[in-house]
Amino acid sequence: GAGVSQSPRYKVAKRGQDVALRCDPISGHVSLFWYQQALGQGPEFLTYFQNEAQLDKSGLPSDRFFAERPEGSVSTLKIQRTQQEDSAVYLCASSRGLAGVVEQYFGPGTRLTVT
Amino acid sequence: GENVEQHPSTLSVQEGDSAVIKCTYSDSASNYFPWYKQELGKRPQLIIDIRSNVGEKKDQRIAVTLNKTAKHFSLHITETQPEDSAVYFCAALDTGRRALTFGSGTRLQVQP
Repeated sequence: GAGVSQSPRYKVAKRGQDVALRCDPISGHVSLFWYQQALGQGPEFLTYFQNEAQLDKSGLPSDRFFAERPEGSVSTLKIQRTQQEDSAVYLCASSRGLAGVVEQYFGPGTRLTVT
Repeated sequence: GENVEQHPSTLSVQEGDSAVIKCTYSDSASNYFPWYKQELGKRPQLIIDIRSNVGEKKDQRIAVTLNKTAKHFSLHITETQPEDSAVYFCAALDTGRRALTFGSGTRLQVQP
C-alpha cells in the first residue's frame, strides 16, 4: 500500500520567509511524528500527534515552529521567519499507534535550505 | 530524557564478512529498539526491531541482540553485500513519551 508521503521534497527559502511542509501519513495511522535531521546526524524529535491532538511538542526548537493535524490525517509543519539554522531535512513518520503497535514508518522528507 | 550512543561511526568490511554495530541507551524505561537503514537522499527504512521481553531476533542475514541489564543492543549483518552499504541508525523508544531517540548513525561500506 501507499507509504508516508511528504511535499515538497525540496524547498529553498530566503531568510525571514515562512514555509509550510506537508505530511500525508499511512491511511489509518493514528500517530504522527515530525523529526528534524541535520546533515550527518540522526533524526531528532520535534512533535507528536495522536489523531488531531498534539500530545508532545517538547522538541520544537522555538516558537517559530508550529505543527497542526486538524482532521487527524494530513499534518503541516510551519516555520515562520526562517533562519539559516533551520536548514535540515524534515521527516514525518506515522504509526498505527494502537494496542502497543509502535513501529514508525518514515516519509522521504523535505530538504529545507534557508539562504 | 533518553540518550542513545552508537558506535562505530564508520565501518568498512569486505563483501561476505559480518558487520556489527553497537548502541547503548540511558533510560531503563525504554522497551522498544528499532534499527533503520538510510541510503543517501532516501527515507529511513525500518529493517528490524526488538522489544525488551526478548534477547535476540533474527531475520535472514540480520539479527539484533538486546542486553537490558547493561542497556545495550547490537545489529549483526552476516554475509554482507554491496547493497547493504548505507547509514544505519539505532533508536530507543520510551512508550511513556512515544518518540524515538536515535543514535548518531553508522556509515557502513561493503567493499566488493
